Amino acid sequence: DIQMTQSPSSLSASVGDRVTITCRASQTISNYLNWYQQKPGKAPKLLIYAASSLQDGVPSRFSGSGSGADFTLTISGLQPEDFAAYYCHQSYSTPITFGQGTRLEIK
Amino acid sequence: QVQLVESGGGVVQPGRSLRLSCAASAFTFSGYGMHWVRQAPGKGLEWVALIYYDGSKNDYADSVKGRFTISRDNSKNTLYLQMNSLRAEDTAVYFCVRDNWIVGSVTSYDYWGQGTLVTVSS
Repeated sequence: DIQMTQSPSSLSASVGDRVTITCRASQTISNYLNWYQQKPGKAPKLLIYAASSLQDGVPSRFSGSGSGADFTLTISGLQPEDFAAYYCHQSYSTPITFGQGTRLEIK
Repeated sequence: QVQLVESGGGVVQPGRSLRLSCAASAFTFSGYGMHWVRQAPGKGLEWVALIYYDGSKNDYADSVKGRFTISRDNSKNTLYLQMNSLRAEDTAVYFCVRDNWIVGSVTSYDYWGQGTLVTVSS
């Protein structure tokens, strides 16, 4: 199974900050990497697919990069609505796996 | 707009069965693979099962293999998850999700249902 390790597990930041979340796969997964945002009590929302493609309707302050085994999600200019949990997700092979999540909190 | 609406969750005793349904609308259901993803209370996301657009193939997480069965009825635009021999560790919100795979791209989940809570407890 491919293990997905996100870091950090939690992060405190202020409105306007630039933050980066990393995700490392236990083996190479090409660009089969997606990022989701989840707010309390809600379903996750797709932000980035195929490592760096922005999902329709997602603000351009979100960006993704990486290939192989190391990936990053960057939020440039945090907005109040961005404080949430973020998950990476590999769809390279089954069993499909998610990172353990990163909780982004207001400082 | 695309909608996925789960139903069938509830409280069930260990060892019993439950069937979840997911009604899809506003897209060509028969053209998309579908998955179930679950989330235990306060925990992260866990993939459960997938089924191809035509039902020809499915796959399961090891934690549910042999106990859960994913199926679909394209004539009714509905996805199912039959859950047998339920355990306390199956307690979670179960989400129905659409697989946005297209040729040249990767599987991602572009639409999610609101989730249905399954609680396994005596």
